Amino acid sequence: AAGVIQSPRHLIKEKRETATLKCYPIPRHDTVYWYQQGPGQDPQFLISFYEKMQSDKGSIPDRFSAQQFSDYHSELNMSSLELGDSALYFCASSSQYAGELFFGEGSRLTVL
Amino acid sequence: AQSVTQPDIHITVSEGASLELRCNYSYGATPYLFWYVQSPGQGLQLLLKYFSGDTLVQGIKGFEAEFKRSQSSFNLRKPSVHWSDAAEYFCAGHNNAGNMLTFGGGTRLMVKP
Repeated sequence: AAGVIQSPRHLIKEKRETATLKCYPIPRHDTVYWYQQGPGQDPQFLISFYEKMQSDKGSIPDRFSAQQFSDYHSELNMSSLELGDSALYFCASSSQYAGELFFGEGSRLTVL
Repeated sequence: AQSVTQPDIHITVSEGASLELRCNYSYGATPYLFWYVQSPGQGLQLLLKYFSGDTLVQGIKGFEAEFKRSQSSFNLRKPSVHWSDAAEYFCAGHNNAGNMLTFGGGTRLMVKP
């Protein structure tokens, strides 16, 4: 069965650079979620989209932005990167009110 | 506020011993509850989930969890732990209003030979 695809799996950037992470949800899933997991931390909710509109917003820094496109894939854009942005970024998808979120393998961002 | 908490940060058990990882929730209505396992640097693997119905839920890898409304708990159990079970375990929940999942702080399980 198709799963949530995230790219790239690994990304290394310098401070103050920009990074973009992509997420391709499971076909026919209409909701996408982004989570950030710092070292030794639990995943923290950043933002979600339902039918290409932002539905919930969590602890997402102002330097970050995200959107969901017409084909339902989503991109998380991170600018002015800081060392503290180094983390594992998870994308998840679901059908609205279906109950279960399906997670991708994550994108590991390292900021040097 | 709606939340999920895991009281134990670290737990060490001997291989072959039984295991119980605690999870408490705070939601107004019956939440949707999940247990995930994560090996270092890896993704989140779903062990089991509870939506409604039978309060004892069976999952993969021999894990089970019991939903107890009176105690606001959803503890994870395994009768005999294997060395390969050493990992980080996360309890998570939501109230189905948009499916936004909240994670507990995680419990790191170490298995002694």
